[in-house]
Amino acid sequence: DAKTTQPPSMDCAEGRAANLPCNHSTISGNEYVYWYRQIHSQGPQYIIHGLKNNETNEMASLIITEDRKSSTLILPHATLRDTAVYYCIGVISGGGADGLTFGKGTHLIIQP
Amino acid sequence: NAGVMQNPRHLVRRRGQEARLRCSPMKGHSHVYWYRQLPEEGLKFMVYLQKENIIDESGMPKERFSAEFPKEGPSILRIQQVVRGDSAAYFCASSPPPGGYEQYFGPGTRLTVT
Repeated sequence: DAKTTQPPSMDCAEGRAANLPCNHSTISGNEYVYWYRQIHSQGPQYIIHGLKNNETNEMASLIITEDRKSSTLILPHATLRDTAVYYCIGVISGGGADGLTFGKGTHLIIQP
Repeated sequence: NAGVMQNPRHLVRRRGQEARLRCSPMKGHSHVYWYRQLPEEGLKFMVYLQKENIIDESGMPKERFSAEFPKEGPSILRIQQVVRGDSAAYFCASSPPPGGYEQYFGPGTRLTVT
């Protein structure tokens, strides 16, 4: 699985878009990028995933660069409840033969 | 549709006792994953099970820890002869067939060893 690099922390004002970057320069052609978040003391929550096309769902948008070496998770209108640690994870496609490998993630703090 | 359920939510054990953690996956999910989160550390994968089978236990400590997912009933993570270093939050996740990385996590069991 590709090594991912994320900033340790970020601030964002409530109501603004939160843009969380992830670098995955060693990603291979069949590796997906998955995003999870963990709100304090809760279980992780799946957000979104993608391979090479941009993706959007009710929670967020995922923008993957054309060379696939980096991506950005966008929370369009951040609320205080979006304060959490966000994890970017690279995984090989073909099913979950292994578990998820969580790094240190980005601690996103939404400021009122 | 109820989410992943874990019980107990909090468990206190004395050193040397056994801890049993239960996980009921979401309805229709036949794949279960256990993770451990030590204080101030990240989540670490422990084991991946399907009904009646252990698929991957590469993250499981070799001694004292075992897991099962019987044909009927919840998945069980069992820790024998607990030590203080086992104090952690244990999370279970489930996914529908055929398994995958879109996993749904339970609220966790917080184990404290005194």
